[in-house]
Amino acid sequence: SQQGEEDPQALSIQEGENATMNCSYKTSINNLQWYRQNSGRGLVHLILIRSNEREKHSGRLRVTLDTSKKSSSLLITASRAADTASYFCATWIKAAGNKLTFGGGTRVLVKP
Amino acid sequence: DVKVTQSSRYLVKRTGEKVFLECVQDMDHENMFWYRQDPGLGLRLIYFSYDVKMKEKGDIPEGYSVSREKKERFSLILESASTNQTSMYLCASSLPNRGMYQPQHFGDGTRLSIL
Repeated sequence: SQQGEEDPQALSIQEGENATMNCSYKTSINNLQWYRQNSGRGLVHLILIRSNEREKHSGRLRVTLDTSKKSSSLLITASRAADTASYFCATWIKAAGNKLTFGGGTRVLVKP
Repeated sequence: DVKVTQSSRYLVKRTGEKVFLECVQDMDHENMFWYRQDPGLGLRLIYFSYDVKMKEKGDIPEGYSVSREKKERFSLILESASTNQTSMYLCASSLPNRGMYQPQHFGDGTRLSIL
């Protein structure tokens, strides 16, 4: 089973609206990251939040982490057509060494 | 910027063929990874390598092997390709996580079809 599960699987919004997606995981983690994947391309690292952090911002991105609920959310504010992509959460556990565990992803379509 | 280059964007092979997927990185990273990506399943780790000639199995190593003869190059080998290995394959590299996480940098992927 996957460590990270994303919700919703797909999201369609108008340009200028906010997009919110969620990630749940099963075991305690050291950090959680979000990646973006444009169609036909590799993954690009967006933002990392550590287990002792509750919220982090980077430009139009806001990530929250609730370790008691084992969940995280990614908010993209004032979305643009260029934000159309799939977004994946990935968890890292120090004991697992170099391994990341990815969720199934959320496909976001931003309509102009 | 880190550059991870996968040798082919698209590849079509036949069942039973031996298939080689190549990945090269230019940042002198110790760690290299091979994932496969299938719809709804996210990325699943096949193998990774933390040094030349060193490798460790990931979550789904069956039917695959790897080779790391040089630090910059990590090859994924399908010993006898089967149709259930049709997938997108992604290579990544990173510095070692010596107690502190290092982000992974991905190539653009190889979409492999086995007929």
